[in-house]
Amino acid sequence: GAGVSQSPSNKVTEKGKDVELRCDPISGHTALYWYRQSLGQGLEFLIYFQGNSAPDKSGLPSDRFSAERTGGSVSTLTIQRTQQEDSAVYLCASRPWSAAGSQLHNEQFFGPGTRLTVL
Amino acid sequence: GIQVEQSPPDLILQEGANSTLRCNFSDSVNNLQWFHQNPWGQLINLFYIPSGTKQNGRLSATTVATERYSLLYISSSQTTDSGVYFCAAPDRGSTLGRLYFGRGTQLTVWP
Repeated sequence: GAGVSQSPSNKVTEKGKDVELRCDPISGHTALYWYRQSLGQGLEFLIYFQGNSAPDKSGLPSDRFSAERTGGSVSTLTIQRTQQEDSAVYLCASRPWSAAGSQLHNEQFFGPGTRLTVL
Repeated sequence: GIQVEQSPPDLILQEGANSTLRCNFSDSVNNLQWFHQNPWGQLINLFYIPSGTKQNGRLSATTVATERYSLLYISSSQTTDSGVYFCAAPDRGSTLGRLYFGRGTQLTVWP
């Protein structure tokens, strides 16, 4: 597609349930990022995938959070045993292959987000 | 990680007014982005501006990487400019990695 797409756009779940959020990056983009935006917390980094390299998981808030990227394209963010504090908008971004001459280009493009509400 | 501070946190303007939004960084940056988050929550790319000045219609941006700041100028503001403006940059030592975001500037433009 023309841009990053995410599904579902909204998800309401009960505390303790597992949820899966999906991200389709821009075709050809090699890097994929997950962020979340909570009320009063701003935009927080969660995880970063680059090609076949081991992902940077340093932003995942707990071991209830995990993410996969299959075939270097689509990514799924899974939250197990959801808690009310997990309520947030989860944003996915992708970036094209970076090298452009001697410049390293890190322009990230964001999807519309998934609004997660945990009751 | 790098610290990003944006000012002002809130800005209220009459349609037609000009404004300047500022982004300060705790370290020099190799690249920087400005975003507009519209009322539906979508982050729209405004500028990718590691250094220098760029212009796009009524908007322009200037980054002075060595002095650790960037400015976003909005001229002849319109109601559709309302929303939250974010700047973001990666750590200098991790140029291709995650972005660190400021808290944003909430802009409200009244007709």
